[in-house]
Amino acid sequence: NAGVTQTPKFQVLKTGQSMTLQCAQDMNHNSMYWYRQDPGMGLRLIYYSASEGTTDKGEVPNGYNVSRLNKREFSLRLESAAPSQTSVYFCATNRRGTENTIYFGEGSWLTVV
Amino acid sequence: EDQVTQSPEALRLQEGESSSLNCSYTVSGLRGLFWYRQDPGKGPEFLFTLYSAGEEKEKERLKATLTKKESFLHITAPKPEDSATYLCAVQADSSASKIIFGSGTRLSIRP
Repeated sequence: NAGVTQTPKFQVLKTGQSMTLQCAQDMNHNSMYWYRQDPGMGLRLIYYSASEGTTDKGEVPNGYNVSRLNKREFSLRLESAAPSQTSVYFCATNRRGTENTIYFGEGSWLTVV
Repeated sequence: EDQVTQSPEALRLQEGESSSLNCSYTVSGLRGLFWYRQDPGKGPEFLFTLYSAGEEKEKERLKATLTKKESFLHITAPKPEDSATYLCAVQADSSASKIIFGSGTRLSIRP
């Protein structure tokens, strides 16, 4: 998973607290994604950014906001954390075009108590 | 609605016992089908991309095939180190910037 770096790796939040997950890529890819992964649910898309300066909602955007800071960085913010947001979060990138392979970071484990 | 379904949910095999994992999909127009391997506590690791029906790709003991409705990941003479969750994903024409994942197959290989 070299090339896509997520921080933090682990985080415990209290209900109502806010936090930001950071993602940076050095692969010069245009598109970036935030997924969450829950047992039995697979990977579900939260938000994506097709290119610098654009963001769009995915399948499960409620309770989250994103910022595409520049081509390298895409952050995910939880404004008021809820226990239902306990999950593993993955950032991913792809170049788009002829090669559509998506590459993932190592994941961020978030627990909301 | 674009959809990806993987089966079985879990599969336990003896070392050397070959088998296949299934990924069935319904999309408005397929741009690509992806297979990933995910180890516990790690992010998904890319294995293959298939673009059109009839295409096949191989890597060590794994071979991925694609038809107009499904893809198979064939595992030949597996070893314990092949134990992982295997994820299938599709990218559809209708949503070029979105990739939809199945829920995965947990594969366990006993020595």
